[in-house]
Parts: sequence; C-alpha cells; structure tokens
Amino acid sequence: DTAVSQTPKYLVTQMGNDKSIKCEQNLGHDTMYWYKQDSKKFLKIMFSYNNKELIINETVPNRFSPKSPDKAHLNLHINSLELGDSAVYFCASSQGVTGTYSNQPQHFGDGTRLSIL
Amino acid sequence: GDSVTQMEGPVTLSEEAFLTINCTYTATGYPSLFWYVQYPGEGLQLLLKATKADDKGSNKGFEATYRKETTSFHLEKGSVQVSDSAVYFCALRGNTPLVFGKGTRLSVIA
Repeated sequence: DTAVSQTPKYLVTQMGNDKSIKCEQNLGHDTMYWYKQDSKKFLKIMFSYNNKELIINETVPNRFSPKSPDKAHLNLHINSLELGDSAVYFCASSQGVTGTYSNQPQHFGDGTRLSIL
Repeated sequence: GDSVTQMEGPVTLSEEAFLTINCTYTATGYPSLFWYVQYPGEGLQLLLKATKADDKGSNKGFEATYRKETTSFHLEKGSVQVSDSAVYFCALRGNTPLVFGKGTRLSVIA
C-alpha cells in the first residue's frame, strides 16, 4: 500500500497555464507538507497543514494555493505558471508538529516533476 | 533559526570503500536528527534516525551517532555497494518541521 501518493508524477505545461497537484496519505497522520526541490536537489518547505489548518506558509508567491479538504489530503494549485516554477514538488506527512512529536519522521511521496515550456 | 550543514558532493567511491558523509547542525533545544536517502527518480526515504544525545541510528549497514558536544550526526558505512548510489540528506526536527541539509550525491562505481 502506498503511504503518501501524489499525482501526477510528471506535469509538462506551458507558461501562463494553471495546474494542480494532488496528494493523499493513508498513514492516519494529522500534518501534511509541500516541499519544492530545485535542480540542485535543495529542498525547501512551502506549506504545512495540521488538521486542515494552515500552520506554515513560507515565502511563496501567492500564485501557489494549497487546499486541504480533510486530514488525509493536501492539494496544491498553481496559477499563471512561470519558468522558475519548474522543479520537483514533494508532498509529505507526519504525526504532530512539534514538541513531543519532534522524533516522528516525515513520510514523502515520490514527487511530481513539473516542467514549464 | 535551526540549520543543517552537510559536506558538499559529489562523492565518488569504489565498491567496498568506507563512506563518511559529514553533517553538523545548529538548533535550539534538543532536536531529533535524521538521514534520508533519495534514489534516482524517487522520493525521500527515511534511512535512520536518532532522537537524543549519544543515540546511534542504524539501517542497511549505515550508522550515525547523535553527538551533542560536537553538534554532529555523521553518516558512515563500512563497505558501500553500487546500489547505495543516491543523494543523502541530513535533517533535524525540533520546534519546526524538518530542516534539511543541501544533500550529498554519492556515486559508487564497480
């Protein structure tokens, strides 16, 4: 059983388009995340939701809008795509946010490779 | 804020060589420390973790010891295989979600 699954795996589109990436986890976790990995493999957190509430919103253009319909899902919608948005986007989940849950690892999906033409 | 510094790669080793990838961290309090591995075309997988000082995490022949006095969590393996070729990320989790190092690419040649 796939623990964290995200679709699509590959997304090729033109500049200016709007696209969505979906993520689902079946681990029963209450916290989900979106990360962006650039061409140099650097990972940067974008958003985090805990129990459907936004708790982390890093400096990300407002063209990116996450939505969490329930604890098991966190989708990412991107408007007016730009060349610089080309990257691999990873969804992740974990139990808890901080404190006593700090020893809990995050579980990652396989990534969505977004290419802007 | 919290941060992780790991040695820059790429690292190229012959099969059966000894591997060390250095990782040091800066954090307030007592974070948990992790190593993740990313194989080509895949997501990140947890390799090992340690949650308090002097803990040793181990998995698949890899080991790392949480050293509070040197704020380090170096990854080691005694004899690498071609299948270990991947990007390795050191990470910490304290009062924030995971903070990652920049990753170290390891290539093992037969």
